[in-house]
Amino acid sequence: AQSVTQLGSHVSVSEGALVLLRCNYSSSVPPYLFWYVQYPNQGLQLLLKYTTGATLVKGINGFEAEFKKSETSFHLTKPSAHMSDAAEYFCAVSEIQGSQMLVWGQGTRLPINP
Amino acid sequence: DGGITQSPKYLFRKEGQNVTLSCEQNLNHDAMYWYRQDPGQGLRLIYYSQIVNDFQKGDIAEGYSVSREKKESFPLTVTSAQKNPTAFYLCASSIEELWKAEAFFGQGTRLTVV
Repeated sequence: AQSVTQLGSHVSVSEGALVLLRCNYSSSVPPYLFWYVQYPNQGLQLLLKYTTGATLVKGINGFEAEFKKSETSFHLTKPSAHMSDAAEYFCAVSEIQGSQMLVWGQGTRLPINP
Repeated sequence: DGGITQSPKYLFRKEGQNVTLSCEQNLNHDAMYWYRQDPGQGLRLIYYSQIVNDFQKGDIAEGYSVSREKKESFPLTVTSAQKNPTAFYLCASSIEELWKAEAFFGQGTRLTVV
């Protein structure tokens, strides 16, 4: 079965610093890949997704992610963190074949230090 | 504005009580989902429905029940059989199956057993 691993339940960065949130998946078949963001006591909002085509995907709020098939990874980056980026981030992966269900990572909380 | 509305935002349940969480959407989406969120565990699927009058169990359906009598509505009942119901509950909808489409989330209901 598909599994998703987000490295680090908490990743702390300073305002203006690079944001790097890691996501690895287990499927040998290229899946669809998603990053969602959750602000405190809110629902989730889609940041970006990869289905097919260009492996570098740009999303909202200056975030982007790169699908690397050889590394089975879909890491999320932002060149310069803002205080408003403080939230929890979830990677999700879907199986195009098989169950066709969405599998969620455990989430990475991102506090931003002033 | 289109969106998903969950109510109430906060809910308190006594031991042995059934409670119902409301989820309404005006996005004209066929698919609707209920997730449970616990700290550090990501999102776990409780039930989902891809069409009116049909729904499927997710990974943690025991102690929960749902109905889908209208396209717009997908209420979740937390029964007394659910031994540890304290959690944050999220409802979502999508225009097609979640594994390939963006999910739109409600603001969540925080349920506490007192």
